[in-house]
Amino acid sequence: EPEVTQTPSHQVTQMGQEVILRCVPISNHLYFYWYRQILGQKVEFLVSFYNNEISEKSEIFDDQFSVERPDGSNFTLKIRSTKLEDSAMYFCASRHETGTDTQYFGPGTRLTVL
Amino acid sequence: AQTVTQSQPEMSVQEAETVTLSCTYDTSESDYYLFWYKQPPSRQMILVIRQEAYKQQNATENRFSVNFQKAAKSFSLKISDSQLGDAAMYFCAYRSSYNAGNMLTFGGGTRLMVKP
Repeated sequence: EPEVTQTPSHQVTQMGQEVILRCVPISNHLYFYWYRQILGQKVEFLVSFYNNEISEKSEIFDDQFSVERPDGSNFTLKIRSTKLEDSAMYFCASRHETGTDTQYFGPGTRLTVL
Repeated sequence: AQTVTQSQPEMSVQEAETVTLSCTYDTSESDYYLFWYKQPPSRQMILVIRQEAYKQQNATENRFSVNFQKAAKSFSLKISDSQLGDAAMYFCAYRSSYNAGNMLTFGGGTRLMVKP
């Protein structure tokens, strides 16, 4: 069964550094999402992406964040200058355009900012 | 904005017994979708069951069923014949039919423990 994959599984970085989290959505899906989950808290929506542009973003998704689909398979989340409070699990999800509107989640990347 | 509330931070059930996880939500919309996701220790979120608000019939998926009460804005998950593999965090989620991004709004989660 096709699944969403994410790399790396764990990323440790120093405050102020740039990080790129990578996701490979399910191949025939057209909607892509990033969510984050700070330890012990709710899963929060960050951004949705369709047709090579952001369709919606939350207040969390400020100028430090950006997303890109650099090729036909990858979907990336970049954090330009990481802060301590960016430490969280980051989940990528994808959804097919038609039929079921279920979002399928990847296993997550644990980002630790020191 | 929509909110989703799960009032039970933790629940415990004996193996083979039945347990019900609660979820309430707040919305002014009439058309939306509701989901239950399971997050085992491996952390990957797995869809358990979904419900369209326009459908009166409660969704069922094997041992998992929901009690959808639209007027009360309640969406509880019933797990029958609980198994050790059901132990996980369970998240209730809401998705509007109206926003372009189709984002999910999650509740705070309920940790389910299954006792052998």
